[in-house]
Amino acid sequence: DIQMTQSPSSLSASVGDRVTITCRASQSINTYLNWYQQKPGKAPKLLIYGASRIQNGVPSRFSGSGSETDFTLTINSLQPEDFATYYCQQSYTTPRTFGQGTKLEIK
Amino acid sequence: QLQLQESGSGLVKPSQTLSLTCTVSGGSIASGGYSWSWIRQAPGKGLEWIGYIYSGGSTYYNPSLKSRVTISIDKSKNQFSLKLTSVTAADTAVFYCAAQTLGSGYYSYFDYWGQGTLVTVSS
Repeated sequence: DIQMTQSPSSLSASVGDRVTITCRASQSINTYLNWYQQKPGKAPKLLIYGASRIQNGVPSRFSGSGSETDFTLTINSLQPEDFATYYCQQSYTTPRTFGQGTKLEIK
Repeated sequence: QLQLQESGSGLVKPSQTLSLTCTVSGGSIASGGYSWSWIRQAPGKGLEWIGYIYSGGSTYYNPSLKSRVTISIDKSKNQFSLKLTSVTAADTAVFYCAAQTLGSGYYSYFDYWGQGTLVTVSS
């Protein structure tokens, strides 16, 4: 199985900040990397697919980059609704695997 | 716009079989372009992919659960289902059904999700 490791596991930030979350794959996955946002009690929501392609309807302050084994999700100018848990997921092969999550909290 | 809705028992006894169904609306489960997935999340934990099925019936399961999992599809009802046998307390989780879009460039992603249903394994 491909292991996905996110860092940090949690971080605190303020409204208006720029934050970056990192995801590392245990082997090369090209750009088959997706990012999701999950709020408490809700299903995950797709933000980014193909490492850098933004899903329709997702605000442009979200962006993704990276390839092979190292990827980043960047949120520019944090908004109150962005405080949530973020997961990366590889779609290179089965079994599909997710990172352990990064909880973004208000400072 | 697809909509997915899970249904099934919320309480299962240890050693018994967990059964859930996902009803798809807003599109045909028989149409191409999607695979139909189950994903679970133990309380306070991360996401675990269980498996998926294509409209043609091909299935792919997580090896960690493969011996206990069956995913099936009922095109006449626009539903797909999950059976997980010999459950233990470790199987207590919110179970989500999701559609994985098979996009261009071989990209695939879970872009439609059910609301999730909590299944508790307890005697």
